[in-house]
Amino acid sequence: NAGVTQTPKFQVLKTGQSMTLQCAQDMNHEYMSWYRQDPGMGLRLIHYSVGAGITDQGEVPNGYNVSRSTTEDFPLRLLSAAPSQTSVYFCASRPGRWLLNTEAFFGQGTRLTVV
Amino acid sequence: ELKVEQNPLFLSMQEGKNYTIYCNYSTTSDRLYWYRQDPGKSLESLFVLLSNGAVKQEGRLMASLDTKARLSTLHITAAVHDLSATYFCAVFTGNQFYFGTGTSLTVIP
Repeated sequence: NAGVTQTPKFQVLKTGQSMTLQCAQDMNHEYMSWYRQDPGMGLRLIHYSVGAGITDQGEVPNGYNVSRSTTEDFPLRLLSAAPSQTSVYFCASRPGRWLLNTEAFFGQGTRLTVV
Repeated sequence: ELKVEQNPLFLSMQEGKNYTIYCNYSTTSDRLYWYRQDPGKSLESLFVLLSNGAVKQEGRLMASLDTKARLSTLHITAAVHDLSATYFCAVFTGNQFYFGTGTSLTVIP
């Protein structure tokens, strides 16, 4: 059981480049989300999805796009990378918003550096 | 704006000692989560607290929830080095998780 898989684990981008961070889960979870983790700021929600075809913005969505064409995949796109997007990115999933006693399961993270 | 505040942010404690980490949140919620993160690693779920007065224990860690006070605590009993990590609390409301800033715990011999 792979759980939540993120790729790549590390990435260096030049300012202005675009890229896609991949996230896949094999648990048939409805809810998926992307967070960024910065020192002293905990985890902040970028975008989330409550099911295939449905996405919404979180706390810090600017500069990022998402789509959810399948239940399994939830890619995060950086449109034009900026140094302020240097961070560690985590993808997480959980079964569904109406299931109370379930936590979110996190991927291993992608460490992104924008130079 | 929903806020989740943890204190302390940094905690250095000796092995064998007890201590409590506090998590205050600013919205009505009856779902509170605790996670552990080791350096360079992902987040690992520790506890899910779903109702007022909920208490859960796992080994040397015990978590509790007071929804009226909007407060959760993570109590560490007789700390050991293996507990050194960063601990996050999180509230789930409105389809979103809101995380505290984390408490970096170092247990020293």
